[in-house]
Amino acid sequence: SQQGEEDPQALSIQEGENATMNCSYKTSINNLQWYRQNSGRGLVHLILIRSNEREKHSGRLRVTLDTSKKSSSLLITASRAADTASYFCATFSGGYQKVTFGIGTKLQVIP
Amino acid sequence: GAVVSQHPSRVICKSGTSVKIECRSLDFQATTMFWYRQFPKQSLMLMATSNEGSKATYEQGVEKDKFLINHASLTLSTLTVTSAHPEDSSFYICSAASADRGNYGYTFGSGTRLTVV
Repeated sequence: SQQGEEDPQALSIQEGENATMNCSYKTSINNLQWYRQNSGRGLVHLILIRSNEREKHSGRLRVTLDTSKKSSSLLITASRAADTASYFCATFSGGYQKVTFGIGTKLQVIP
Repeated sequence: GAVVSQHPSRVICKSGTSVKIECRSLDFQATTMFWYRQFPKQSLMLMATSNEGSKATYEQGVEKDKFLINHASLTLSTLTVTSAHPEDSSFYICSAASADRGNYGYTFGSGTRLTVV
């Protein structure tokens, strides 16, 4: 599997439900970040979690990090149709290391 | 917040011609810029890393003579796709980082959809 691999690759839920996406990685990291991409658009930074953090919140977003399992999860609570997008995790190591993205989770929130 | 402007957003060109894509950091100095390529329904693949005033570092498999990268100033990096062919059609995205911000959140441009006909 590749660094920053998300699962599921596709997720369809009803508006108001929670959406959970997972990301696994292989090497040691300094931090892990989640990004969102609307179809055909650039990426928007959502949240960053450092390697010494276990959980972080930002609005309706909750990110967890388990460095022992080399995995992270992104939870979007009370989803909205506007949350429909692809979500990528990206791992950062060292300084300006290249960012490695997973293949993403395509989330569809049905109104 | 940090803003990166990427231009053009869409471009259609004829096979054999060259296309230049610009990436500008509007409110910060970008010491490092990254160029990515994204095929439909796939993730972003890093093409090259450019540091202001020095040659770009290309990822394995990326032809440096075909994808010319110039990072002449702290606010501008350009990617030129030379002698474009239909297989170069893709979505190209840049991102920028600065020494002040470290790697705590790279700022991405809005992307360029290149179609070679």
